[in-house]
Amino acid sequence: DAMVIQNPRYQVTQFGKPVTLSCSQTLNHNVMYWYQQKSSQAPKLLFHYYDKDFNNEADTPDNFQSRRPNTSFCFLDIRSPGLGDAAMYLCATSRDRGTGYEQYFGPGTRLTVT
Amino acid sequence: QQQVKQSPQSLIVQKGGISIINCAYENTAFDYFPWYQQFPGKGPALLIAIRPDVSEKKEGRFTISFNKSAKQFSLHIMDSQPGDSATYFCAASLSTGFQKLVFGTGTRLLVSP
Repeated sequence: DAMVIQNPRYQVTQFGKPVTLSCSQTLNHNVMYWYQQKSSQAPKLLFHYYDKDFNNEADTPDNFQSRRPNTSFCFLDIRSPGLGDAAMYLCATSRDRGTGYEQYFGPGTRLTVT
Repeated sequence: QQQVKQSPQSLIVQKGGISIINCAYENTAFDYFPWYQQFPGKGPALLIAIRPDVSEKKEGRFTISFNKSAKQFSLHIMDSQPGDSATYFCAASLSTGFQKLVFGTGTRLLVSP
């Protein structure tokens, strides 16, 4: 089945220690998104790639970076995780950016910062 | 203006009952309104969506009612089942530029057996 895969599902990192979360997709979608979802809150868009074009949200901290080496893979790098960065990180894809293009979400990576 | 307000925060419904979740928005430029369902430990999944040119859309037991003049839309789950227990997010997006989804704050639904 075509899908969005996130690894690892659970990640524990130390305060200030860089961490990388990965996302892959078999849907061949042009757009890939990274969301941060804290407990009992709505997903918050961090950034997205439209093909190779990176689009950062204005309120995304510089501590968060992303790479998309090819169509299938996208990475979220947190350069110096703080306790406030503990959250579920969701990757999503869509075929295009127009209104009505469904976003397909992966299962998420739950990040714990100790 | 970019916010979508969702209520209630949590909801308990008996099996077979009707679950109703409401959302309201301010930005009249929003023209796509999806609902997402999220089970614990899973990512959200699109449940049903509506555009403002229709007042109602039904898919199985799930219905969206849309009131353009009131800038409100709601999700109705008929014959609610324990398997419907999940968190539901409404969302909205614009038709111009990048169609970023603006999510509501979510409703945790529990359907009791």
